[in-house]
Amino acid sequence: EAGVAQSPRYKIIEKRQSVAFWCNPISGHATLYWYQQILGQGPKLLIQFQNNGVVDDSQLPKDRFSAERLKGVDSTLKIQPAKLEDSAVYLCASSLDLPSGGTNTGELFFGEGSRLTVL
Amino acid sequence: AQSVTQLDSQVPVFEEAPVELRCNYSSSVSVYLFWYVQYPNQGLQLLLKYLSGSTLVKGINGFEAEFNKSQTSFHLRKPSVHISDTAEYFCAVSALNTDKLIFGTGTRLQVFP
Repeated sequence: EAGVAQSPRYKIIEKRQSVAFWCNPISGHATLYWYQQILGQGPKLLIQFQNNGVVDDSQLPKDRFSAERLKGVDSTLKIQPAKLEDSAVYLCASSLDLPSGGTNTGELFFGEGSRLTVL
Repeated sequence: AQSVTQLDSQVPVFEEAPVELRCNYSSSVSVYLFWYVQYPNQGLQLLLKYLSGSTLVKGINGFEAEFNKSQTSFHLRKPSVHISDTAEYFCAVSALNTDKLIFGTGTRLQVFP
């Protein structure tokens, strides 16, 4: 079974430039997450999708960050304009929804991440 | 809201020695608890999870963790570590009936020969 695919693995940009990251979740996983992991910190949820709808984007800095999942499969996360403090690893994860009435037990499957350096 | 505290940012240990990585959580509701491992330049991988039932949970690679509700802890243990266990370990919590994971800041386990 193929895992969560992310690209690019590494990106270096200057502040005020824009960048986009792509994620393709595990086939059949309806829920997709973007996490930001700053060096020395744990992953922080930026946005959660279920199919192509947003479930939680409360911690997404909407003035510069945007994300979409138009067809309910792959997703893109964009930063424009980038700031120095956006330097981090951006992790995409997906999870399997249980049948109606079930509970997602919280097991997320992560991609290898996209490391962003803003100079 | 839930929160997770990992008191040790780094744990150095010699190969074949036992290790314990500490995790405490805070929540006003019942929770699920998880340990994830992150090897260098890789994504996070589930090590083990506590959902209900036995408080002693066994995971992959010989790791186990014990849920202690009274102490709100979920410490990770391994009786004998290997060089290959060198990695970052994250404790995480989610409230029941949600799938939103809250992560701790991580503990870097460094195993020396």
